[in-house]
Amino acid sequence: EVQLVQSGAEVKKPGESLKISCQASGYSFSSYWIGWVRQMPGKGLEWMGIVYPGDSDTRYSPSFEGQVTISADKSISTAYLQWSSLKASDTAMYYCARRAGVLKYFDHWGQGTQVTVSS
Amino acid sequence: SYELTQPPSVSVSPGQTARITCSADVLPKQYACWYQQKPGQAPVLVIYKDTERPSGIPERFSGSTSGTTVTLTISGVQAEDEADYHCQSGDSSGTWVFGGGTKLTVL
Repeated sequence: EVQLVQSGAEVKKPGESLKISCQASGYSFSSYWIGWVRQMPGKGLEWMGIVYPGDSDTRYSPSFEGQVTISADKSISTAYLQWSSLKASDTAMYYCARRAGVLKYFDHWGQGTQVTVSS
Repeated sequence: SYELTQPPSVSVSPGQTARITCSADVLPKQYACWYQQKPGQAPVLVIYKDTERPSGIPERFSGSTSGTTVTLTISGVQAEDEADYHCQSGDSSGTWVFGGGTKLTVL
């Protein structure tokens, strides 16, 4: 069974750094792209970017390029989303999800990680 | 970049048919998919490749496409179908985009 388990909720102050994780199991982690999706409170889904754990190839949405870093460690089947300096506007739910092969959709999702940035 | 346009809300009575549209000029050239998201839960894929239904998704969910518009149809709507529905597609540059989401209300 494919499972994506995300790290727990975070409460941070503006300017702090943060790295959240998404641990995969039940399939060959290196062979499937993993993406990250933001959902701000009461809003829709936003595609942030995607990483291929096999060779760490990474693509970003223009809206998020330079704002976050997406990475993966295939030795522990874990993908990451990180910020170097959080802003209040980063407050949102963040989901990781597995890309289904070569087609551009996500077939499995993590449970989400709530990130709250407040002074 | 481009946008996928969805109606903010759709309302139907139980047993009726709900149709949710998603429009963009790119859609004749790129597949679209649909996700269902219930409050407090992660999205769930209900339609992929415009018209394909994943295993485990009820047959009342179907997808269709015509020109620049893809449509999610839910036949015989049930109370449990009340949720937000998000369309999503990708472009040739490798960027993916979500629609703004549609809140389906079962009256």
